[in-house]
Amino acid sequence: GIQVEQSPPDLILQEGANSTLRCNFSDSVNNLQWFHQNPWGQLINLFYIPSGTKQNGRLSATTVATERYSLLYISSSQTTDSGVYFCAVDSSNFGNEKLTFGTGTRLTIIP
Amino acid sequence: NAGVTQTPKFRVLKTGQSMTLLCAQDMNHEYMYWYRQDPGMGLRLIHYSVGEGTTAKGEVPDGYNVSRLKKQNFLLGLESAAPSQTSVYFCASSYSRGQTQYFGPGTRLLVL
Repeated sequence: GIQVEQSPPDLILQEGANSTLRCNFSDSVNNLQWFHQNPWGQLINLFYIPSGTKQNGRLSATTVATERYSLLYISSSQTTDSGVYFCAVDSSNFGNEKLTFGTGTRLTIIP
Repeated sequence: NAGVTQTPKFRVLKTGQSMTLLCAQDMNHEYMYWYRQDPGMGLRLIHYSVGEGTTAKGEVPDGYNVSRLKKQNFLLGLESAAPSQTSVYFCASSYSRGQTQYFGPGTRLLVL
C-alpha cells in the first residue's frame, strides 16, 4: 500500500515563529487532507488539497502531486497551534475508499 | 448542529466482553468511517460505509463488526474484546467520497 511519511516528527518553537511541515507519499493520490489534533485529542480538518495551494488565515498548504509531497505552513505561531499535525491521502480506486494517515508531526509552541 | 458525536467517551472492558460504540452525525453525510489511533501512530481505518445499509472493510477490520441501519448512525461492535483492541476510536463522516472528513471526539477503550 501507499506509504505516507511526515517530517519532522517533533518540532518545538517559540511563539511567533514560522514553521513548515512536510508530507511525502509514495504513489499518486486522489486527495490529500491535513488535520490538526489538539492536546485534548480532537481532530480538526485544516485543508482538503489534492493539488495546488490554499490559505486559511495564518495557515497555508501546498501539494505538488507530480512530485508526491505536500507542505503545511504555519506563520506567527500561537500556543493554540500546539498539537499533532497529520496528513492523510486517498490512493484507492473508485469505490474503494481508504484514507491512509502519516504518523504525524508533534508541534509544541512555547510562550 | 452537533456534528459528529460518539458514545461512550470512555470504557473499560475485560477480555472476552462485548460492546458497541455508537457514532451519530447530523450533517446528512453519506459516508461514515471508524478509525483507531494507537500511541505514536496515525489513524488506521477499521470499517467504513458509503451509505445506509452498506459497510466495507478498511485496513484493520479483524475483530470488529459494523452496521449502518440508519443514515445518521454507524455502530462499531467488538464481539470478544482483546487487550490488543485497547485504543482510541474515532468516528468520522463526509458528504461523499474524497470530501472533507469531520471527526467525532473519540472513545477511549481499555481492555484488561
